[in-house]
Amino acid sequence: TQLLEQSPQFLSIQEGENLTVYCNSSSVFSSLQWYRQEPGEGPVLLVTVVTGGEVKKLKRLTFQFGDARKDSSLHITAAQPGDTGLYLCAGGGGANNLFFGTGTRLTVIP
Amino acid sequence: ETGVTQSPTHLIKTRGQQVTLRCSSQSGHNTVSWYQQALGQGPQFIFQYYREEENGRGNFPPRFSGLQFPNYSSELNVNALELDDSALYLCASSMTGAREKLFFGSGTQLSVL
Repeated sequence: TQLLEQSPQFLSIQEGENLTVYCNSSSVFSSLQWYRQEPGEGPVLLVTVVTGGEVKKLKRLTFQFGDARKDSSLHITAAQPGDTGLYLCAGGGGANNLFFGTGTRLTVIP
Repeated sequence: ETGVTQSPTHLIKTRGQQVTLRCSSQSGHNTVSWYQQALGQGPQFIFQYYREEENGRGNFPPRFSGLQFPNYSSELNVNALELDDSALYLCASSMTGAREKLFFGSGTQLSVL
């Protein structure tokens, strides 16, 4: 079973602070994705990383794929209340599916 | 807006009953996947449908079944509901083989009492 563990599980920070969320697995993935999910909505894809060591930036969000393609991180600079949500990492499974991580629930306090 | 619509948005059933959830995929997408998201957890893969056939299944019992129609819309059926089936059920559409580009609907919140 391919498991993706995310840490921390919960994170509450003040507006303007920086934060990093981690996604770790003992399995190698061909790609990893990051989603954000808001209450009452489905997950929305933020980014896909494919190459080991790859770094992608999306405005204030920086995503990195580990060299061994077993882990990934999401760094947010100067967090804003609009960043509040559940952040999920996901990796490809064998049955045309995605394995999702346990999620990090972020709250940014104004 | 992803273009993926699910109905109903909320549903309350009692243990032992049967339920049908519906999903309309985004225009141009021919593959539909269903996920179950329990409270405080990440989504778990139930199954995927492509060309009206099941094209992969997660670790869910046979009482979870599905259909895909010629217009690529889909249904998820759950028989003999159990309390643990209470969850958000998410439908995601994609193009063939593009599991990295899933577009999710807003989900159906199912409560089993």
